[in-house]
Amino acid sequence: GAVVSQHPSWVICKSGTSVKIECRSLDFQATTMFWYRQFPKQSLMLMATSNEGSKATYEQGVEKDKFLINHASLTLSTLTVTSAHPEDSSFYICSAGGDGYHLFFGEGSRLTVL
Amino acid sequence: GEDVEQSLFLSVREGDSSVINCTYTDSSSTYLYWYKQEPGAGLQLLTYIFSNMDMKQDQRLTVLLNKKDKHLSLRIADTQTGDSAIYFCAERKAAGNKLTFGGGTRVLVKP
Repeated sequence: GAVVSQHPSWVICKSGTSVKIECRSLDFQATTMFWYRQFPKQSLMLMATSNEGSKATYEQGVEKDKFLINHASLTLSTLTVTSAHPEDSSFYICSAGGDGYHLFFGEGSRLTVL
Repeated sequence: GEDVEQSLFLSVREGDSSVINCTYTDSSSTYLYWYKQEPGAGLQLLTYIFSNMDMKQDQRLTVLLNKKDKHLSLRIADTQTGDSAIYFCAERKAAGNKLTFGGGTRVLVKP
């Protein structure tokens, strides 16, 4: 199957700083990427849909100024958590779909805000 | 209520078959998926079924779909300790690429 890679796998930052997480499709072009958040022992919550060359579409209740998404190329989407606070600590997972019907997921990025 | 529901936990002995169940509410779903998540990792696509199919078999995995009852199941034959993980079912609606996930079923395989 297709490979989606996230970086970093885990990051620890101080409260008030910003953190950028990258999501790359390694062997296919992804016109659409999705960002999810997963709390411990819970399911995935869709945060936003990232579209190459246009603005991201955010789900209800997700602050677009807090979670900045950029999809500048067909193989890279980035999620920046701005002015991070401890409540932003979570596991963030991206998925990517090109022209196919099936979505493939990255390995996830664990963010811990102190 | 939730769009997609799963039981929380399943315990099974090594070598036995595991059956994980899932119900969904949207009759317009096009594809239904099963993903596996190991601790601290992302989601691995295990298998999927198109909504006009009843069954799909892929090695140890068998997916059954009852569209009338909106019920999906995943059977793992000869369950191994490496199958211990959380399994998520997900539905893809007719429009767009969005997936709606169930809450996940934690499968524990005992030796």
